[in-house]
Amino acid sequence: LAKTTQPISMDSYEGQEVNITCSHNNIATNDYITWYQQFPSQGPRFIIQGYKTKVTNEVASLFIPADRKSSTLSLPRVSLSDTAVYYCLVHAGNNRKLIWGLGTSLAVNP
Amino acid sequence: EAQVTQNPRYLITVTGKKLTVTCSQNMNHEYMSWYRQDPGLGLRQIYYSMNVEVTDKGDVPEGYKVSRKEKRNFPLILESPSPNQTSLYFCASSSSPYHYEQYFGPGTRLTVT
Repeated sequence: LAKTTQPISMDSYEGQEVNITCSHNNIATNDYITWYQQFPSQGPRFIIQGYKTKVTNEVASLFIPADRKSSTLSLPRVSLSDTAVYYCLVHAGNNRKLIWGLGTSLAVNP
Repeated sequence: EAQVTQNPRYLITVTGKKLTVTCSQNMNHEYMSWYRQDPGLGLRQIYYSMNVEVTDKGDVPEGYKVSRKEKRNFPLILESPSPNQTSLYFCASSSSPYHYEQYFGPGTRLTVT
């Protein structure tokens, strides 16, 4: 089974681009990679999901290299409201086994 | 409004007193799941359900029970709560086994003394 590893914390400033990388060793062929955002006292919220190469939506981009052993969540021009914990999740295909990272606490400073 | 609801939001109880945390979703989702969240341990899956009457153990099922008699409801039962079950609990749902965007409830903070 894939295991996900991500940095415990990161600091940034308003207006900067933030990249959070997650390592998923032993990722299987049919595993998807998903990222969630969580604010204090709230449930996690879906940000983006990908399988390979690059995925972009209105809030973030997800970069997955060819070997798929890592993925990078990119948040363009962060604001104070992006201060949250970000979780990487590997979805092991049809059996729905979920491998969550421990989360990266992002602090955006003025 | 599409949502996952949990009740109660906060609960303080004593060791051994049976309790149920309810979870309901209004999105007609097939897949539902329970998690507990503890400092330094992230989110850990307790049980999940692929559909009505289909449930399976997650990573930390000991001390918990679930049932899925209706598609919209997925209650979490603690038959004999212990202090090590003090935690923040989240229910989640998604549209199908092949759809990975999970919608989470607001959480239930449980304290067992």
